Amino acid sequence: DAGVTQSPTHLIKTRGQQVTLRCSPKSGHDTVSWYQQALGQGPQFIFQYYEEEERQRGNFPDRFSGHQFPNYSSELNVNALLLGDSALYLCASSFLGFSNTGELFFGEGSRLTVL
Amino acid sequence: RKEVEQDPGPFNVPEGATVAFNCTYSNSASQSFFWYRQDCRKEPKLLMSVYSSGNEDGRFTAQLNRASQYISLLIRDSKLSDSATYLCVVSALGPDFNKFYFGSGTKLNVKP
Repeated sequence: DAGVTQSPTHLIKTRGQQVTLRCSPKSGHDTVSWYQQALGQGPQFIFQYYEEEERQRGNFPDRFSGHQFPNYSSELNVNALLLGDSALYLCASSFLGFSNTGELFFGEGSRLTVL
Repeated sequence: RKEVEQDPGPFNVPEGATVAFNCTYSNSASQSFFWYRQDCRKEPKLLMSVYSSGNEDGRFTAQLNRASQYISLLIRDSKLSDSATYLCVVSALGPDFNKFYFGSGTKLNVKP
């Protein structure tokens, strides 16, 4: 049973560039959430996708956008990269019907460095 | 004010010690509470849910005080393998879906 997979695992970009991160949820899961984790901090909620729509959004600017595909996989796009966007980007999947269990299954993350 | 606040530590304890972590949350409408564990440069994983009556899982005991908006995690007989960052997580019910708020984490180092 494949868990949550994310790609790429590491990437380096320069200020002003754009980046796309990808996530495939755990088998049987239909909801994908994205988190940003800066060094020494806890994960910060970016947004959540269900049925190909953004359902919840955290306190992140419009430079952060996403998409969910019919197969439940998801992308996170960040435009006009800033140095402060350097972080570990975590994708978490869950099944809506059991969202109250609180078990978010995380991928290993994509570590973005902006120079 | 942050939604979830934790003492960042680090807590440096010898093997076999008992250690307790605390966490406070700001939203009184929060409904679900959890502790996640995150190993260095790894993804967070669910350690245990926290129930109103308190709950125990082996050496781990979690407590919830809704009146004080306070959550705790007690680890007894610490093992070297318990060394990790422990994240307090609180869930509030949004219009349609739960939103999960993570604390900054408390780092635990268990020494031989």
